[in-house]
Amino acid sequence: EVHLVDSGGGLVQPGGSLRLSCGASGFIFRRYWMAWLRHAPEKGPEWLANIHPDGSETNYVDSVKGRFTISRDNAKNLVFLQMNNLRAEDTAVYYCARDPEYGAMDVWGQGTTVTVAS
Amino acid sequence: DVVMTQSPLSLPVTLGQPASISCRSNQSLIHSNGNTYLTWFHQRPGQSPRRLIYKVSNRDSGVPDRFSGSGSGTDFTLKISWVEAEDVGVYYCMQGTHGPPLFGGGTKVEIK
Repeated sequence: EVHLVDSGGGLVQPGGSLRLSCGASGFIFRRYWMAWLRHAPEKGPEWLANIHPDGSETNYVDSVKGRFTISRDNAKNLVFLQMNNLRAEDTAVYYCARDPEYGAMDVWGQGTTVTVAS
Repeated sequence: DVVMTQSPLSLPVTLGQPASISCRSNQSLIHSNGNTYLTWFHQRPGQSPRRLIYKVSNRDSGVPDRFSGSGSGTDFTLKISWVEAEDVGVYYCMQGTHGPPLFGGGTKVEIK
């Protein structure tokens, strides 16, 4: 069965950092683009970043460019989101997702909650 | 920039009756490769989003055939032929044709 498991969320102070992880199973991980998205309370989902199957290309939404970094480890079927200089508005449930083409995410993790507050 | 607009915001429906959700973009979603990357997702409370429809009208495996997607260019529709209790939640359209994928604001479907 195709499965993604998100982890690494928590409570962090403004200006702090967190690293989210996502473990994949049930499919050939190295063949797929992977993405991170988030869903803040009372808002729609927001796509944040994606990464090429071999890690050679990454893309970001403007709101996180320069603060967040997506990476992957194909040997361990893992994708990461390093989040620095966190702000209150980054508070959300964060999801990793498999992206077969042009953002049509077909498999999602269960989500991990990030709360940025003092 | 692309803007995705969904309507209605809220959709009370009677069990067994049809429902329809509109999604409009401010520019054509036809990609230069000829495909239209318009996707529909369903999110139940406390759950991750689930993809229902991709490239306008292709239904995902396991999605009941009472769900259908249609449209072209800038105007798209998700139809539920008859609503069942499990269909409650929020439905989102999303475009992937231009730049970063962008979601519509969502339509909350609830049972009357």
